[in-house]
Amino acid sequence: NAGVTQTPKFRVLKTGQSMTLLCAQDMNHEYMYWYRQDPGMGLRLIHYSVGEGTTAKGEVPDGYNVSRLKKQNFLLGLESAAPSQTSVYFCASMSRRITDTQYFGPGTRLTVL
Amino acid sequence: GIQVEQSPPDLILQEGANSTLRCNFSDSVNNLQWFHQNPWGQLINLFYIPSGTKQNGRLSATTVATERYSLLYISSSQTTDSGVYFCAVDQTGANNLFFGTGTRLTVIP
Repeated sequence: NAGVTQTPKFRVLKTGQSMTLLCAQDMNHEYMYWYRQDPGMGLRLIHYSVGEGTTAKGEVPDGYNVSRLKKQNFLLGLESAAPSQTSVYFCASMSRRITDTQYFGPGTRLTVL
Repeated sequence: GIQVEQSPPDLILQEGANSTLRCNFSDSVNNLQWFHQNPWGQLINLFYIPSGTKQNGRLSATTVATERYSLLYISSSQTTDSGVYFCAVDQTGANNLFFGTGTRLTVIP
């Protein structure tokens, strides 16, 4: 049982490039979330999903897109990366059937030059 | 939007000391959680505590929802307690957490 995994762990992009971050969970959780954490700050919610095929905007969705084609995966896309998107990205998952506790992945450190 | 304020922002303790971290929030919430982010960045949920008191080993937490604050108590602190402690609240019912800026705890041997 790996829990929540994130791919890649580190990435450096140039301004304007695109990329996709993958979050995978093997706990059969319905809910999945993408957050970003900037230095000295708490996490901010980008997008979330309450089930396969559904997504919704969080606090800071601009510049990001997401997809949840399979229950176990939640993808975060940057179509045209900007330096302001330099951050650490965390994915989390949760099952309302068990508890409202969110389980977090290890994070992806993204630098946009 | 809701404001979540944590205090103190930084705390340095000698190993074995006790501490209290505070989280104030500006509006009613459905959900409040405490997290620990260790020095390697991993986030661990400590408590799901929208109201009342819970204890887990050396840690305990109390939320007084009517007065819009929560307290996290750490007793007999250890160096492994070092890291950043976040309070996070949800108003939507979908567990969309809004995080405070955290309390950075350093426990020195």
